[in-house]
Amino acid sequence: KNQVEQSPQSLIILEGKNCTLQCNYTVSPFSNLRWYKQDTGRGPVSLTIMTFSENTKSNGRYTATLDADTKQSSLHITASQLSDSASYICVVSASLTSGTYKYIFGTGTRLKVLA
Amino acid sequence: SAVISQKPSRDICQRGTSLTIQCQVDSQVTMMFWYRQQPGQSLTLIATANQGSEATYESGFVIDKFPISRPNLTFSTLTVSNMSPEDSSIYLCSVLTGSGRKILHFGNGTRLTVT
Repeated sequence: KNQVEQSPQSLIILEGKNCTLQCNYTVSPFSNLRWYKQDTGRGPVSLTIMTFSENTKSNGRYTATLDADTKQSSLHITASQLSDSASYICVVSASLTSGTYKYIFGTGTRLKVLA
Repeated sequence: SAVISQKPSRDICQRGTSLTIQCQVDSQVTMMFWYRQQPGQSLTLIATANQGSEATYESGFVIDKFPISRPNLTFSTLTVSNMSPEDSSIYLCSVLTGSGRKILHFGNGTRLTVT
């Protein structure tokens, strides 16, 4: 069964600190892995996209890693800011025989950054 | 990139009534998707709406309950029919854009509360 599991469910850190969010998946056949940021009351916004051959991808203070062998990904946030408070969602896409894709969403990690 | 406008942003409805959610995209897109996001849960795909054809519904979702229209390449509506409190959720419109590595863009969602 295609599944995406994220940990921790929630996290509280102080402003300026770093943190790492985890994503484990069992999706086949794997196409790519995406991290999204969802602010309260807003839709998810894409942060990074990684294919099978990519180990790391950065977007400003956000760095995502992918280990396709262990089927794990992480999102590292450096020097956190209050505006980083949001839910972070891991999304893995599976390629279908029809040539389209199926997107499997994790339940997200809710991050709160305190001043 | 795509800018997605969703209306209404929120609504409180009585059980037994219906609500139509509108989704307007600032560019022509082939595939539009409707998702449901319940508290603490991952996004669940309701249906895929292609212009000129009937929507394709995921397991657990039926056209009588969630009729969808897709009159052109920039617009779609989702109706939540004969609502019950279990329909209280966030409903999100989404589109795929780009070539090669496509990006899934989301509207800001409609927060529906059924009393």
